[in-house]
Amino acid sequence: DAGVIQSPRHEVTEMGQEVTLRCKPISGHNSLFWYRQTMMRGLELLIYFNNNVPIDDSGMPEDRFSAKMPNASFSTLKIQPSEPRDSAVYFCASSPQAGVEYEQYFGPGTRLTVT
Amino acid sequence: GENVEQHPSTLSVQEGDSAVIKCTYSDSASNYFPWYKQELGKRPQLIIDIRSNVGEKKDQRIAVTLNKTAKHFSLHITETQPEDSAVYFCAARNNAGNMLTFGGGTRLMVKP
Repeated sequence: DAGVIQSPRHEVTEMGQEVTLRCKPISGHNSLFWYRQTMMRGLELLIYFNNNVPIDDSGMPEDRFSAKMPNASFSTLKIQPSEPRDSAVYFCASSPQAGVEYEQYFGPGTRLTVT
Repeated sequence: GENVEQHPSTLSVQEGDSAVIKCTYSDSASNYFPWYKQELGKRPQLIIDIRSNVGEKKDQRIAVTLNKTAKHFSLHITETQPEDSAVYFCAARNNAGNMLTFGGGTRLMVKP
């Protein structure tokens, strides 16, 4: 298995532009998580899906952020409009099953820079 | 919700010495406690985990202990090596969902 796949790996954009981050979870995994990592705030959970349904989005910073999971093999995190304070590494992770203590497997991350 | 505190934020040890990282959690319903290692520029990866029905777990040079009464758990690395240098994150999870709440991380530096 290729593991969790994220694209792009690096994104540089100007303030005000729309940014879309993409994630392909490990095949067969039921849960998908989006995290943001910064030096100041550490590793923050933004939203997680179980069986393609958003379960908890309390970590989404504001309405500029939205996430979708149209099917079991694809998810997007969109920021519109982007701001410099959104600069961070965004990780997607997946795990086999909700309600059981299974490992979360992280993707390689997308490093976002908003100028 | 759950709150996980992690100490210290940085830790420097000499190669061969032991390193201990401590975490406390707030939600008594939490029952799963993984530890992740993140090398510079890489993704977090699970190195060891412990469930609430176990007090200690070992895997070669690393061990984790859990005190449910005090709501704290610790990571112990013995005979540290330079390749142990990384950021380590503790986390906690309860049965109410599949979310992990992460601690703030500990940057471990092992000096050769």
